[in-house]
Amino acid sequence: EADIYQTPRYLVIGTGKKITLECSQTMGHDKMYWYQQDPGMELHLIHYSYGVNSTEKGDLSSESTVSRIRTEHFPLTLESARPSHTSQYLCASRAPGGRYEQYFGPGTRLTVT
Amino acid sequence: GDSVTQMEGPVTLSEEAFLTINCTYTATGYPSLFWYVQYPGEGLQLLLKATKADDKGSNKGFEATYRKETTSFHLEKGSVQVSDSAVYFCALSDTGANNLFFGTGTRLTVIP
Repeated sequence: EADIYQTPRYLVIGTGKKITLECSQTMGHDKMYWYQQDPGMELHLIHYSYGVNSTEKGDLSSESTVSRIRTEHFPLTLESARPSHTSQYLCASRAPGGRYEQYFGPGTRLTVT
Repeated sequence: GDSVTQMEGPVTLSEEAFLTINCTYTATGYPSLFWYVQYPGEGLQLLLKATKADDKGSNKGFEATYRKETTSFHLEKGSVQVSDSAVYFCALSDTGANNLFFGTGTRLTVIP
């Protein structure tokens, strides 16, 4: 099973601030994902990466950006936080090859005031 | 395209009751199917999976059978506990796909 970490777990920040949500995994997984989870629980894929220097936007339009400079690290950045960004953000990773399950981090609950 | 339709909740059961959460899917290939569980304040955890038709995934007393003829992967548990209170997500990954398709989640509350 993968070890995947997210920091911070909780963040309260004012409008207009720049923030970076960290996600790291220690299993050497090539594929990594960011999901936004709304209060109704539904998961929305906002970014994904299939390897170093590979990033794509997901199904839900997001004002955030991501980078993948190292295999184990997949940070998400909001240049100017707004109250509409208040949500739970979940990071996940997946092993290479024919195994399709994703492993999730504990999440970051972001509140923008 | 690929999609997952999951039984809407919330579901409230008494302890030791039988649980069924329905999940049906649409896929173009031969998908792998998953159930994830999310406890309050946490990320998703893989509960069980099945990778081909007629496979039965099981874990912690939960079971689900991959039924190709009915395109279903219903989650069952014979006797729920208070500690099973959580949100349950059905998901699929189609052959060769890199992403998962999730259902909308079903919140289960088990009362003593």
